[in-house]
Amino acid sequence: QKEVEQNSGPLSVPEGAIASLNCTYSDRVSQSFFWYRQYSGKSPELIMSIYSNGDKEDGRFTAQLNKASQYVSLLIRDSQPSDSATYLCAVNAGGYNKLIFGAGTRLAVHP
Amino acid sequence: DARVTQTPRHKVTEMGQEVTMRCQPILGHNTVFWYRQTMMQGLELLAYFRNRAPLDDSGMPKDRFSAEMPDATLATLKIQPSEPRDSAVYFCASGLPRDGNQPQHFGDGTRLSIL
Repeated sequence: QKEVEQNSGPLSVPEGAIASLNCTYSDRVSQSFFWYRQYSGKSPELIMSIYSNGDKEDGRFTAQLNKASQYVSLLIRDSQPSDSATYLCAVNAGGYNKLIFGAGTRLAVHP
Repeated sequence: DARVTQTPRHKVTEMGQEVTMRCQPILGHNTVFWYRQTMMQGLELLAYFRNRAPLDDSGMPKDRFSAEMPDATLATLKIQPSEPRDSAVYFCASGLPRDGNQPQHFGDGTRLSIL
């Protein structure tokens, strides 16, 4: 059973701080990894993708991948209340871009 | 801005009724996924298609659920007969897997309530 694990939270951070979201996966052959943001009552929205070990930065977001440890993380710098949402980690589970999703981490950024 | 379109956005019906949900994938995308999301189970993959052919529907209760893709611009998910436990948000997503590394893009979902 291929699994993607995330801490459900809530992760509470003050405005302006760095939020760190973590995800582990079980399938060693996974090659692509995605972070989706989901606001309450809305659909998942892709915010980051990462395919190689190391860091990938996009604005205030940084995705980090360590395939040896089967670990992927998302850092959000200068957190804003508008970042409050559930963040879903997704891992490619074979061909045809089938994804396995984690249960999500709820992030709350308080003023 | 290309989007996945789902209809209806909301559906309330009584148990035993047939429910049909529709999805128009992003033009040019050749993979389509159906998900169900509940508070208890999170996001569950029900079925997916590539080039209109069903690849995997192992996540779907076979006795009452069916998924089809009659043409490249329309995917349907049917429940017959519906039950209260089917109440959930159903998402459709589409993608274009050039090399298996492409993300999926989600529609706004159909919020289904079975009374």
